[in-house]
Amino acid sequence: AQSVAQPEDQVNVAEGNPLTVKCTYSVSGNPYLFWYVQYPNRGLQFLLKYITGDNLVKGSYGFEAEFNKSQTSFHLKKPSALVSDSALYFCAVRQTTSGTYKYIFGTGTRLKVLA
Amino acid sequence: DGGITQSPKYLFRKEGQNVTLSCEQNLNHDAMYWYRQDPGQGLRLIYYSQIVNDFQKGDIAEGYSVSREKKESFPLTVTSAQKNPTAFYLCASSVASGTPYNEQFFGPGTRLTVL
Repeated sequence: AQSVAQPEDQVNVAEGNPLTVKCTYSVSGNPYLFWYVQYPNRGLQFLLKYITGDNLVKGSYGFEAEFNKSQTSFHLKKPSALVSDSALYFCAVRQTTSGTYKYIFGTGTRLKVLA
Repeated sequence: DGGITQSPKYLFRKEGQNVTLSCEQNLNHDAMYWYRQDPGQGLRLIYYSQIVNDFQKGDIAEGYSVSREKKESFPLTVTSAQKNPTAFYLCASSVASGTPYNEQFFGPGTRLTVL
């Protein structure tokens, strides 16, 4: 079965410091991985995705993610956190069962950036 | 929130009532999805549709029904059989052909409360 795990319910970081939000995955075949952000009472917004190739993926709002095949991880990073980055972050993987376009989401990590 | 609209934003249901949540997209996407979001549980898939006039049950379909009569519309009905419907409901869409790494686009959500 394919799955993603976000081991931290909440991450606190000081403004200006680098941030990391962790995600590990379990898939058969090639992993298609995504990060989304959700602000309060809003839908999810797409940040970035890993396809194949470069292990460092750059996305929206200065975020990037590092794909590590040996550790089956896809951690979200940002060099310098902003208070406005405070939100709920979801990692997702596309299920690769033939002909199925389903996505599996982690339980989410709440990021709190402290001024 | 891309080209997906959900209505209403807030919905209140009395015991024993069926209610219908609207989801419309103008992105020309073939695939549409309904998720339920509860605190600490991430997103759980209710139903999805990869093409008009066809849909599949997700992980928590009991007590819900859908239809897909038009490409741009995917309404969700929460029936009286759903015993704990209070939650935040999210609709999403994606391209459903070609590459396997297409991201989803989400609507702004509907918050349903049972009175």
